[in-house]
Amino acid sequence: KAGVTQTPRYLIKTRGQQVTLSCSPISGHRSVSWYQQTPGQGLQFLFEYFSETQRNKGNFPGRFSGRQFSNSRSEMNVSTLELGDSALYLCASSLKGLAGDSYEQYFGPGTRLTVT
Amino acid sequence: LAKTTQPISMDSYEGQEVNITCSHNNIATNDYITWYQQFPSQGPRFIIQGYKTKVTNEVASLFIPADRKSSTLSLPRVSLSDTAVYYCLVGDIYDMRFGAGTRLTVKP
Repeated sequence: KAGVTQTPRYLIKTRGQQVTLSCSPISGHRSVSWYQQTPGQGLQFLFEYFSETQRNKGNFPGRFSGRQFSNSRSEMNVSTLELGDSALYLCASSLKGLAGDSYEQYFGPGTRLTVT
Repeated sequence: LAKTTQPISMDSYEGQEVNITCSHNNIATNDYITWYQQFPSQGPRFIIQGYKTKVTNEVASLFIPADRKSSTLSLPRVSLSDTAVYYCLVGDIYDMRFGAGTRLTVKP
């Protein structure tokens, strides 16, 4: 079956702008998580959505937001971009939702965001 | 949320067995232990997961002692293509966070 897809793959934005990234999970997966990866901070958890509800949230400012649609597709938005937001943004989907579901996350290729 | 501690880097040679140990002293009863592999510019890839004792699949083994305060990922006979960052995660069904990871370099 098709893997996790993320669009766009590359993006260049200017400070102060906003950006929306999209993630399509594996069919049947209801949990979608977002991560930010930078050389200095590594992989940092942003938030997780399950059945259109944010279930967990990392330690990021309110400029970072997300949502999940009824078909499990997810978007994340970053407003008022800063230079430090330049990173690889990864989306992961999994079955996890009920006890007994697999904890295995399947990651997409990521969106490389560059803020200038 | 259980915090994990791993070595920052490790070197090995082709054909050797590599063991990467992760410490997670405050692991909770419901927490599972999961390992991921990541190559540059790619998303992490699931390797193995366990709760206690030993788990083995086609690519790795995971050893978990009875107190579950640590775990060891064992990669048999590594090759150059195993050069990557390996992450140990500890958490329950709702929340798993990545640590700093171990950068494994396999040399010829």
